[in-house]
Amino acid sequence: QVQLQQSGPGLVQPSQTLSLTCDISGDSIFSSSAAWNWVRQSPSGGLEWLGRTYYRSKWYNDYAESVKSRITVNPDTSKNQFSLQLNSVIPEDTAVYYCARDYADAMDVWGQGTTVTVSS
Amino acid sequence: QSALTQPASVSGSPGQSITISCTGTNSDVGRYNYVAWYQQHPGKAPKLMISEVSNRPSGVSNRFSGSKSGNTASLTISGLQTEDEADYYCTSYTSRGTRVFGGGTKVTVL
Repeated sequence: QVQLQQSGPGLVQPSQTLSLTCDISGDSIFSSSAAWNWVRQSPSGGLEWLGRTYYRSKWYNDYAESVKSRITVNPDTSKNQFSLQLNSVIPEDTAVYYCARDYADAMDVWGQGTTVTVSS
Repeated sequence: QSALTQPASVSGSPGQSITISCTGTNSDVGRYNYVAWYQQHPGKAPKLMISEVSNRPSGVSNRFSGSKSGNTASLTISGLQTEDEADYYCTSYTSRGTRVFGGGTKVTVL
């Protein structure tokens, strides 16, 4: 049974970097059938896909245009986990952040969600 | 990448069928059969209900079905039950190699 466990701070100051980690159990971050995603949900309710990393003989990344200049999604192969870094955060980055496994082009396993507030 | 267009709300009585539409473009929904649907109850993570337009993952009720015509995908819930009351989101793969979500539809069981 695949599970994703998120960790990271719930409060980030404006202009700083938001950093979250997603631990994978029951699957390998090297899986040739999976991709590892970050999705967020603003207080207004909508879901927004942010980016992903995946391994197909080498590592690849895809990012949403809306955050492309500020986002990094990195694998940590030694810990079987992946991370999200979002730079120069603003109050509008306040949201619930989810990690999710993408398998057969659908996100079938989700983390528990982390509420992140951007505020001084 | 603009969000896919979904109706803000859909409602129905128990036992009825409802359909939620998800309209994109020929760069996403119209180009790929990689449309998925998610159900989300308040305070919970989204749950995958349909993948690849019409595939139902193991454990999902057969009352849920998906289809696509042109740039519009649809999710139909038949035999509506009270536990189906939730928010539903569609998503699609795009020609830029990214994913885009719909704005979400609140389903109310009357």
